[in-house]
Amino acid sequence: DIQMTQSPSTLSASVGDRVTITCRASQSISRWLAWYQQKPGKAPKLLIYEASSLQSGFPSRFSGSGSGTEFTLTIASLQPDDFATYYCHQYNSFPYTFGQGTKLEIK
Amino acid sequence: QVQLVQSGAEVKKPGASVKVSCEASGYTLSSYAMHWVRQGPGQGLEWMGWINTDSGDTKYSRKFQGRVTITRDTSANTAYMEVTSLTSEDTAVYYCARAHGDSPGVWGQGTLVTVSS
Repeated sequence: DIQMTQSPSTLSASVGDRVTITCRASQSISRWLAWYQQKPGKAPKLLIYEASSLQSGFPSRFSGSGSGTEFTLTIASLQPDDFATYYCHQYNSFPYTFGQGTKLEIK
Repeated sequence: QVQLVQSGAEVKKPGASVKVSCEASGYTLSSYAMHWVRQGPGQGLEWMGWINTDSGDTKYSRKFQGRVTITRDTSANTAYMEVTSLTSEDTAVYYCARAHGDSPGVWGQGTLVTVSS
């Protein structure tokens, strides 16, 4: 199975900060990577697909990049609504797998 | 408007089985694959399996192979996920999610399954 490792596990930041979350795959997954945003008590929401395509409904301050085994999610200028947990997910090959999550907290 | 409505919360005893339903509205079930994902209390997301809702073909995480069965009823526009031989480790919120390309896209509201004696 492909292992997905996110870093950091927890990130403390302030409104207006630029933040980056990294996701590494244990083998190449091309660009078959998605990012999800989840808030407490809610279902996850698809944020980024195919490594860099922004899902409709999310603002352009969110961006994704990478290919192969290393990927990043960047939030250009944090807003209060962005504090949540973020998960990466590989769908290159079955069984699909998720990263362990990155909790973005207010500093 | 695309929506996935899941069945209500369940409380089961160890060793029992549970079957969660996921009714699709706003589109035809067989037009998109369906994923199942679970999340234990305070834990991360865990991909369980997938069904090609047109052909009925299924794929499962190795962790759940043999204990989880995903099915669909196209006449009811509904997908199902059954877990057998429940233990306390299976206490979690279970989600269905319609595929967006090949990744989970639109998610159901989640179904809490509690396993307790």
